[in-house]
Amino acid sequence: DSGVTQTPKHLITATGQRVTLRCSPRSGDLSVYWYQQSLDQGLQFLIQYYNGEERAKGNILERFSAQQFPDLHSELNLSSLELGDSALYFCASSALASGSTVQFFGPGTRLTVL
Amino acid sequence: TQLLEQSPQFLSIQEGENLTVYCNSSSVFSSLQWYRQEPGEGPVLLVTVVTGGEVKKLKRLTFQFGDARKDSSLHITAAQPGDTGLYLCAGARRSGGYQKVTFGIGTKLQVIP
Repeated sequence: DSGVTQTPKHLITATGQRVTLRCSPRSGDLSVYWYQQSLDQGLQFLIQYYNGEERAKGNILERFSAQQFPDLHSELNLSSLELGDSALYFCASSALASGSTVQFFGPGTRLTVL
Repeated sequence: TQLLEQSPQFLSIQEGENLTVYCNSSSVFSSLQWYRQEPGEGPVLLVTVVTGGEVKKLKRLTFQFGDARKDSSLHITAAQPGDTGLYLCAGARRSGGYQKVTFGIGTKLQVIP
């Protein structure tokens, strides 16, 4: 158990819909990262927050957005869903924003868009 | 084009065999990490290497960071079925005052009893 929690574990929805994925980082970790993992693309970095502020952006679509709240939990919002958005979405947390960053991953949310 | 190329992408071997997987890049990294991921779970950190030429051992797993800090290898001795999983390398580089981490696509290892 990494200490990072993600809900829900599975999500099945239809094209055009909007969903919210939730992540709680390890106690004391200030950084939260979101990743998308699909079979053909591997683990793709989406976005990072540090202590409530956006720190880095990766391959995140405009239809996707995220935020980190004062209690440090984070939400990833996916809208206008397409079939190709079906993937595993992982959240990771780390103690540092710089230095030798070690990320601890949650169990993931498996999103299926029908 | 992946910043970090992992090879092979798939590997199926018999229990007891040795294997090496590779992680290569044209970029220099300040550190490189190896993770193992089992189906339906998140990646779990195995090791972090920081110094060029560094070798770290974790039981039957040996990790090496290239002298130029552009590549790494993972060698498994006498593979066991429990070693089955997806092995991911991740390189960290400084960007704008913080570290940016990039993952390779992974090597999917199957160890057959």
